[in-house]
Amino acid sequence: QTVVTQEPSFSVSPGGTVTLTCGLTSGSVTTTNFPSWYQQTPGQTPRTLIYSTDTRSSGVPDRFSGSIVGNKAALTITGAQADDESVYYCLLHMGSGISVFGGGTKLTVL
Amino acid sequence: QLQESGPGLVKPSETLSLTCTLSGGSISSDRFYWGWIRQPPGKGLEWIGSVYYNGITSYKPSLKSRITISVDMSKNQFSLRLRSVTAADTAVYYCARQGGATPLDWGQGTLVTVSS
Repeated sequence: QTVVTQEPSFSVSPGGTVTLTCGLTSGSVTTTNFPSWYQQTPGQTPRTLIYSTDTRSSGVPDRFSGSIVGNKAALTITGAQADDESVYYCLLHMGSGISVFGGGTKLTVL
Repeated sequence: QLQESGPGLVKPSETLSLTCTLSGGSISSDRFYWGWIRQPPGKGLEWIGSVYYNGITSYKPSLKSRITISVDMSKNQFSLRLRSVTAADTAVYYCARQGGATPLDWGQGTLVTVSS
């Protein structure tokens, strides 16, 4: 069974740039997986940031960008701010209308 | 806007039933799918399934034997039924409007606890 992998945790300095990744235990992530990214702070509903690899959801600042880097999907945050401190989840489409979330990356801004 | 509704407490072995009501749009749109995602307390997100306006469904394989997602166009709603629940099914359940298999807009979520 293929699992979606994410870094468990990451840290970035205020104003810095960080790239979070989303991979597969078997195979490469491509645009046909339609990677999407979600931000969740404790007790809150997830917020959709990016879908279809690199399309920003309405109202999402352009500090957030999505791409494919090597064999993984990537979420890059530039000019990190304190309120970017959240858990970030990726989601991959695995075919037959089925999607799978990664385990999430806890981002600390310090 | 999406709003979940249903019992917050379900007994083990019984059926969990939730409804999601859409306002400000039509569930019969052919542009979107309608999905359910859950999150156990303190854990990550889990995509569990979706339905298209014509009733075609996709389910997480490990839940397929217990789950039914359906759409009611007359009420502009879609529903989740999960049979034979256990404590492992305790979670916040979110409904979502999906572009294909990708959640785009989310309901606020509803906590369902499985306990006797």
